[in-house]
Parts: sequence; C-alpha cells; structure tokens
Amino acid sequence: NAGVTQTPKFRVLKTGQSMTLLCAQDMNHEYMYWYRQDPGMGLRLIHYSVGEGTTAKGEVPDGYNVSRLKKQNFLLGLESAAPSQTSVYFCASSYSSGRGLNAEAFFGQGTRLTVV
Amino acid sequence: LAKTTQPISMDSYEGQEVNITCSHNNIATNDYITWYQQFPSQGPRFIIQGYKTKVTNEVASLFIPADRKSSTLSLPRVSLSDTAVYYCLVGDIGNTGKLIFGQGTTLQVKP
Repeated sequence: NAGVTQTPKFRVLKTGQSMTLLCAQDMNHEYMYWYRQDPGMGLRLIHYSVGEGTTAKGEVPDGYNVSRLKKQNFLLGLESAAPSQTSVYFCASSYSSGRGLNAEAFFGQGTRLTVV
Repeated sequence: LAKTTQPISMDSYEGQEVNITCSHNNIATNDYITWYQQFPSQGPRFIIQGYKTKVTNEVASLFIPADRKSSTLSLPRVSLSDTAVYYCLVGDIGNTGKLIFGQGTTLQVKP
C-alpha cells in the first residue's frame, strides 16, 4: 500500500522554466492538498481539491496552478518558476468525513525544489 | 477557520511530561481540534483529535476545557524521538476540506 506518492523527490529549475509536480494516492480519498514549507516555517496551503474535477485556492496560490482530472491524482504546476518558489512541497490526501470528526490527512514524502 | 495561537518553541528533557497549549478563542460549534506531528524532512502525521473533555490514545492525551477556547496536547515521558514540530488545527475540516496549518510549536527534547 503506497499511500501518497510524490514525483519527483528533488528538482532544480532555472528561473522561468516550467514544471509539474505529481501527487498520487491509492486510498480513494476525496480531498487532496498541496503545501509548501520554507525553512523554519509551517506548512502553507497552496491549493486544494474536494473532489475530482474541482480545485480551490489556499493561502498562497499565486504562481501555481493545479488540476484534478482523476480522483487519485493532483497535479501542481509552476508555469514560470521564480527563486521565491524554492521550497519543499508536500501533498496530502484525506477522505471526506462530512460534518463532525475530521478525517486524518496522509502526507507524501515531499519534493525539494530549488529554483536558481 | 478559527485562528490558533501556540508557543513557537519549547524545550524539555527526556522522561518529562510535556504540555503544549493552543488557544482558539473563536472556535465554532462544529469545529474539531486536531493535532499533527512533523519530524524533520517528513510530512506531518496525525496524532490526536477531540471535540471536548479528554481524549487519550497510545501517543498522547488531549485536554479540552468546557468553553473549548483552548486545548492542551500532553505527551507523557518524552524521549529524544519526540523532538518535532507540533501543529494545532481547528476547523470543520471534514465538511469544508480546508486544512490549514499554523506555525506550530517546535519541541526540542534534550538528554
């Protein structure tokens, strides 16, 4: 059981280049998330999705786009990378528990991105 | 989403009990309180969740007073391996899907 898998694990980009980070989960979860974490900081929500075909902006969405064409995959795109986007990116997923008890979120191992 | 306030950092020694308090004055009726733990270079992992009173599992205890404006995560007899960042989250996450992490509390356990 793989859980949440992020691809790639490491990447170095030049300023202005584009790339896509892939998050795949095999738990049939409805909710999926993309976060960034800068050194010494907490996680900041970039975008999230509450179901296939739906996405929503989080706390820091500028400079990123996402797509959720399949329930198990959540893609994060950087159209024109900037040094300020150097960070560790985490993907997470959880099921929709509805009103009440919050479902446990499961995280991937992270993608370390450096933009030079 | 209810704003949360927790200490930026805490130090402890092995074998001690550690209590980390989170303030959430504007918690809503449907909000649950959830704590996550993050080790260096890893994603966070769920520790414990509660709505009121006390919840205990094999990892920690969560104490929530009647007014629910704060909560305390209690780690019994910590070890070096409990050194991590602990996040307090408050919200109706299961319903809204919006999972927001704050700054967290960095716990350093010393020998």
